[in-house]
Amino acid sequence: DTGVSQNPRHKITKRGQNVTFRCDPISEHNRLYWYRQTLGQGPEFLTYFQNEAQLEKSRLLSDRFSAERPKGSFSTLEIQRTEQGDSAMYLCASSLVTLQGATAEAFFGQGTRLTVV
Amino acid sequence: GDSVTQMEGPVTLSEEAFLTINCTYTATGYPSLFWYVQYPGEGLQLLLKATKADDKGSNKGFEATYRKETTSFHLEKGSVQVSDSAVYFCALNRDDKIIFGKGTRLHILP
Repeated sequence: DTGVSQNPRHKITKRGQNVTFRCDPISEHNRLYWYRQTLGQGPEFLTYFQNEAQLEKSRLLSDRFSAERPKGSFSTLEIQRTEQGDSAMYLCASSLVTLQGATAEAFFGQGTRLTVV
Repeated sequence: GDSVTQMEGPVTLSEEAFLTINCTYTATGYPSLFWYVQYPGEGLQLLLKATKADDKGSNKGFEATYRKETTSFHLEKGSVQVSDSAVYFCALNRDDKIIFGKGTRLHILP
């Protein structure tokens, strides 16, 4: 397994366009997170999935943002009508939650850097 | 809400110097605590963790002790190397979310 994979690595888009990012987690991991990181800041939580169920969304996630994990494997994050303030690194992470509820460490992908011009 | 505060950088040290990066947290209860590292051009990697009070996490010569009484999780290394140059993030795990500090950039001079 090569770890968490994110595509594309870089995306430049014009303001108002829609963009979609993909995350492929580590294959046996049942939990998947999306984070956003801006320059000089730590990653900020956006949302997470347990299998295919989206369990929590941050108030940072406006209605222009939508995330899916249709079969409990890969996930997509779509941003509609992009704004310059959406420019950031979007990080995906995955982890394994056991039946006892214990969460192992989260493994992060290398991120997708979005630039809105 | 829960939060993490860590010392601002950049921190610049000479090779073989002693390193401390301070981290304090605010949380109800007893969250798990982490240090993540981000090397240039790479993703976040877990460096070490501690899951309960007085636990010491260690890895690659780095150590941090979970101090409940001072709500701290300071990162230390006795002798840093140029290859330790990176951004270090203190974090806590609460309600299945990882909450990060703003990060501390570390530069090690040869």
